[in-house]
Amino acid sequence: DAKTTQPPSMDCAEGRAANLPCNHSTISGNEYVYWYRQIHSQGPQYIIHGLKNNETNEMASLIITEDRKSSTLILPHATLRDTAVYYCIVRESFGNEKLTFGTGTRLTIIP
Amino acid sequence: GAVVSQHPSWVICKSGTSVKIECRSLDFQATTMFWYRQFPKQSLMLMATSNEGSKATYEQGVEKDKFLINHASLTLSTLTVTSAHPEDSSFYICSAQNLGVTYEQYFGPGTRLTVT
Repeated sequence: DAKTTQPPSMDCAEGRAANLPCNHSTISGNEYVYWYRQIHSQGPQYIIHGLKNNETNEMASLIITEDRKSSTLILPHATLRDTAVYYCIVRESFGNEKLTFGTGTRLTIIP
Repeated sequence: GAVVSQHPSWVICKSGTSVKIECRSLDFQATTMFWYRQFPKQSLMLMATSNEGSKATYEQGVEKDKFLINHASLTLSTLTVTSAHPEDSSFYICSAQNLGVTYEQYFGPGTRLTVT
């Protein structure tokens, strides 16, 4: 699996956009970028994934650079419930592939 | 969205006993289920991958005779921790995936195991 690098922690003011960066400089052409988050003592929650185009859903937006070596997860209007550890994961390919979790970014939303 | 449940949500057992954890996909058929373990302040570590009707594939360093995994149906997988010891105390999380529909893995809420 390609490895990812994320800052260990970030703070964001409530109501502001939270921008979480991820570096994946060794990503290969058929690998997708996935984002999950884990609220304390719960199972991870799927947020979004993408290959090379920017993606948006009801939870977040994913911006992938043109060279695909980095990406940014954007939570447009952060709330206190968005406080969690966010994991950026590069997945080998479609199909029955495991997710390898790194250390993630601990995002704290400040009132 | 797809819902995955785990039972029990927490369990305390004595050293030397066995504990079974169930993972169920409630509204979809899970062709593949994954079992993870998470120690305090650490990330999730994959223990094994199981496909319905076949033997589980264990990650390196995970004892298959200690962590028994059964995936007998498309909606149920079980993890049995045999002869549990205090060092097995951890947060066990399962995830499920339906390859025929989507590539996302949906996670259960986790089971906190404490071995005394």
